[in-house]
Amino acid sequence: KNEVEQSPQNLTAQEGEFITINCSYSVGISALHWLQQHPGGGIVSLFMLSSGKKKHGRLIATINIQEKHSSLHITASHPRDSAVYICAVRLGTDKLIFGTGTRLQVFP
Amino acid sequence: EAQVTQNPRYLITVTGKKLTVTCSQNMNHEYMSWYRQDPGLGLRQIYYSMNVEVTDKGDVPEGYKVSRKEKRNFPLILESPSPNQTSLYFCASSVRLASNNYNEQFFGPGTRLTVL
Repeated sequence: KNEVEQSPQNLTAQEGEFITINCSYSVGISALHWLQQHPGGGIVSLFMLSSGKKKHGRLIATINIQEKHSSLHITASHPRDSAVYICAVRLGTDKLIFGTGTRLQVFP
Repeated sequence: EAQVTQNPRYLITVTGKKLTVTCSQNMNHEYMSWYRQDPGLGLRQIYYSMNVEVTDKGDVPEGYKVSRKEKRNFPLILESPSPNQTSLYFCASSVRLASNNYNEQFFGPGTRLTVL
């Protein structure tokens, strides 16, 4: 079993829909990262969380440490949100373990 | 402009021919790391460095070497590349926070390596 599991693996949506991507992990962590990988391959960091909730524009990330679960929400989705979203957990201060990603396609 | 650069961006080589992929950051970050990304497996950490002259193995270090002689540079060395090292490689860096944790990672553009 992978230490970091993401669901769903693939997601399609119509423009304007509310989107949720989930990440569950089985190890003790010091922080959780959400990353976005564009179709061209570049990776951008969206959030780093150790507790609670963070919001940036139309993106919201939450984490529940007790349940070992995090969610990434996208409100009013747009075709430019189409990308692969990757969850990663930090063990201590050094190692990162990644989920395999959720491929999101938003159609006009 | 704050950035992480990698060179080369694309490389096709043959088995056994030593190569180095360079990584440089201009943000004075303490932490640097190398990852490889393979279909179905996602990103996996190869090596990381918490500061100059401090490096440690990630999940998949076999066949790779690194060095951290200067804060800004973290080259990845493949002494004898093999076809199973064909992959997309990313370098990343981040700054240490006062809490001794690390902030968000800044990723380089990636290096696509093919070993024939």
